[in-house]
Amino acid sequence: DTAVSQTPKYLVTQMGNDKSIKCEQNLGHDTMYWYKQDSKKFLKIMFSYNNKELIINETVPNRFSPKSPDKAHLNLHINSLELGDSAVYFCASSRQALRGGPPQQYFGPGTRLTVT
Amino acid sequence: DQQVKQNSPSLSVQEGRISILNCDYTNSMFDYFLWYKKYPAEGPTFLISISSIKDKNEDGRFTVFLNKSAKHLSLHIVPSQPGDSAVYFCAAIIANAGGTSYGKLTFGQGTILTVHP
Repeated sequence: DTAVSQTPKYLVTQMGNDKSIKCEQNLGHDTMYWYKQDSKKFLKIMFSYNNKELIINETVPNRFSPKSPDKAHLNLHINSLELGDSAVYFCASSRQALRGGPPQQYFGPGTRLTVT
Repeated sequence: DQQVKQNSPSLSVQEGRISILNCDYTNSMFDYFLWYKKYPAEGPTFLISISSIKDKNEDGRFTVFLNKSAKHLSLHIVPSQPGDSAVYFCAAIIANAGGTSYGKLTFGQGTILTVHP
């Protein structure tokens, strides 16, 4: 069974469109994350949800909106897509207790978004 | 402002030899450092971590060394195997941060390791 899954794996779309990427984890974790890997290969956190509550919101355009219907899902909706949104987006999850111990985040396989 | 940097984009080693991957950081508040391994078309997977109060952590063929005064850490793989060929990411976290830094991993840009048979 896949621990953290994302759909779709590849997404090609035109500028101006609205698209969503879905993420599901079956690890029983209550914290989920979205990361963006840009053209320079840095993985940068975008959002984090804990028990469906937003706890990390990096400087991300408000065209990006995460939605967590329950603890096992964190979807990423992107409005009015731009060329610069082309990247690989990774979802991850972890247990809540990141304080005081070596935190482990489990990553999905990534969604390669190409905006043309 | 990249707080975690991996200055070597790639490294090539012979099977059986030691691989040394390096990472530098600037934020002295980081209290855990982690290494993740990534194969093509997969997400990063956790490999090994080290607390900032330690200077070494070993797990099988993998050892991470931390030099706090130099703000430098390294991952040693001995002996290297062809299956170790992957992208290795260094990451850091302020584990006890609250608010908007809670759980925030800061990654380097990765080093591509190629182990030749």
